[in-house]
Amino acid sequence: RKEVEQDPGPFNVPEGATVAFNCTYSNSASQSFFWYRQDCRKEPKLLMSVYSSGNEDGRFTAQLNRASQYISLLIRDSKLSDSATYLCVVNELSGGSQGNLIFGKGTKLSVKP
Amino acid sequence: EAGVAQSPRYKIIEKRQSVAFWCNPISGHATLYWYQQILGQGPKLLIQFQNNGVVDDSQLPKDRFSAERLKGVDSTLKIQPAKLEDSAVYLCASGGWGETQYFGPGTRLLVL
Repeated sequence: RKEVEQDPGPFNVPEGATVAFNCTYSNSASQSFFWYRQDCRKEPKLLMSVYSSGNEDGRFTAQLNRASQYISLLIRDSKLSDSATYLCVVNELSGGSQGNLIFGKGTKLSVKP
Repeated sequence: EAGVAQSPRYKIIEKRQSVAFWCNPISGHATLYWYQQILGQGPKLLIQFQNNGVVDDSQLPKDRFSAERLKGVDSTLKIQPAKLEDSAVYLCASGGWGETQYFGPGTRLLVL
């Protein structure tokens, strides 16, 4: 089974900092890409999808480079509430309508006052 | 809209015992997933259902794990017998048309 690789961190940053997470995936046939957020002892929740053209949602910017099989997430002006684990997720479509989500191990972010 | 429901939330058993987890997906979601998340790892897919049919169970340890979704709605995941390495959070997720998966709160299993 193909893999999704992330730097596990932890990333310890002060409030207001800009932080970037990187992720690489090995299956060149992967179809869609996501960042999920997981708070301590909680379930993963979709943060944002990642599109080839790049996309932005407030302080969060996601980028995809298909040629390099590389995904990134940029968080600007980080808040204390951004502290969580960020999971890079790749969808390997199969026969089902939903495909299979392959999760990275996650990158832990801790934002300090 | 009600989310994905799972029970129990916590379970402690001894090795070689059996355990079962239950999941009720979001109403109308045809696809249901069971994931295993070991501490410090991302979730790993165990089995995917489309309605009451299995789409992918390639990573399910079938010698001890089983799952069913008989009526295409709720689902159970069973481990029999449990091993120490089965200690993990078992997450259920469901999805409607499109690709977003919604996760339940998970069942934390500790095998002693």
